[in-house]
Amino acid sequence: AQTVTQSQPEMSVQEAETVTLSCTYDTSENNYYLFWYKQPPSRQMILVIRQEAYKQQNATENRFSVNFQKAAKSFSLKISDSQLGDTAMYFCAFMKTQGGSEKLVFGKGTKLTVNP
Amino acid sequence: IAGITQAPTSQILAAGRRMTLRCTQDMRHNAMYWYRQDLGLGLRLIHYSNTAGTTGKGEVPDGYSVSRANTDDFPLTLASAVPSQTSVYFCASRPDRNSDTQYFGPGTRLTVL
Repeated sequence: AQTVTQSQPEMSVQEAETVTLSCTYDTSENNYYLFWYKQPPSRQMILVIRQEAYKQQNATENRFSVNFQKAAKSFSLKISDSQLGDTAMYFCAFMKTQGGSEKLVFGKGTKLTVNP
Repeated sequence: IAGITQAPTSQILAAGRRMTLRCTQDMRHNAMYWYRQDLGLGLRLIHYSNTAGTTGKGEVPDGYSVSRANTDDFPLTLASAVPSQTSVYFCASRPDRNSDTQYFGPGTRLTVL
């Protein structure tokens, strides 16, 4: 079964600094998708960035970028120029196909605090 | 309505009671999902539906049932609630098999006493 591991339960960073959140996953599949979701105190789940496994180029969305290492099964999220609004839980997720439905498997999350 | 709505926002329920959590989307998405979020465990899939009229079991289906009578609605029912079902419940949807992104509702916080 696929698993997603986020080894950092909590992290903190100073405003305007850069922080990297770690994620590793385990799968025997060759084609899949990886995601980072943000969950601020409002509880809403917000998609931050996505990566297709067959693409070697790392995805980038403004201040958010990933370091995707397929062979190492690693998918870290880098947040540049951290802002107070980045304070949230961050979940790494893997999407597999099972029984015809694409299902998300989530890590346990990393709580990120951005300090002023 | 825009996106996915869930009702109620929160609920306190006595053990043994029946409860239905509602989920409605207006995006005409084919696939819908129910997750529960527990502290330290992330989100886990309860049930899913690929399209209206079909449902399937996820990782933690016991104690829950779902139905998908139409495209827009995907209710989750707890037939006889137990305290271990205290959680935050998220409904999500995905347009079709050509789309990899799931969109989430605002969640329902359920407390079973």
